[in-house]
Amino acid sequence: DIQMTQSPSSLSASVGDRVTITCRASQTISNYLNWYQQKPGKAPKLLIYLASSLQSGVPSRFGGSGSGTDFTLTISSLQPEDFATYYCQQSYSLPPTFGQGTKVEIK
Amino acid sequence: EVQLVESGGGLLQPGGSLRLSCAASGFTFSSYAMNWVRQAPGKGLEWVSYISSGSSTMYYADSVKGRFTISRDNARNSLYLQMNNLRDEDTAVYYCARDSSGYPGPFDYWGQGTLVTVSS
Repeated sequence: DIQMTQSPSSLSASVGDRVTITCRASQTISNYLNWYQQKPGKAPKLLIYLASSLQSGVPSRFGGSGSGTDFTLTISSLQPEDFATYYCQQSYSLPPTFGQGTKVEIK
Repeated sequence: EVQLVESGGGLLQPGGSLRLSCAASGFTFSSYAMNWVRQAPGKGLEWVSYISSGSSTMYYADSVKGRFTISRDNARNSLYLQMNNLRDEDTAVYYCARDSSGYPGPFDYWGQGTLVTVSS
């Protein structure tokens, strides 16, 4: 199975900050990397697919980049509604696997 | 509006069986592959199973293979997960998730989840 490792596991940031979350795959996954946002008690929401494509309806302050084994999710200007846990997920090979999550908290 | 509504969760003892359902609306259900993804309390996300749009292909996580069976009824716009020989470690919120690509992931719409608790 492909292991997905996110860093950091948690971070504290202020409204307006630029936030970057990293995801590393244990082997190359081309650009088959997706990002999800999950708020407490809610279902995950797809933000980014194929590493850099913005899902319909997702604000443009969210961006994704990377290919191969190293990927990043960037929030250009953190908003109050962005405090949540973020997960990466590879859809390159079975089984699809998720990172352990990055919790973004209010500083 | 795409909606996925899970049901069927509950509390049961190890070794028991349960059938989860997911009712879909707002899209052409028969055109999309579907998945089950679970999340143990306070933990991350774990993919469980996949079924193609026409039920010709199913995949399972090793942790549930031989115990869980995914199925669908396109006439009823419904997805199912038959869970047998349940273990403590199967305790989780189970989400149904639509597959946007026809291969496991990305998952573009999710239900609200149904909680399965396995405990003696």
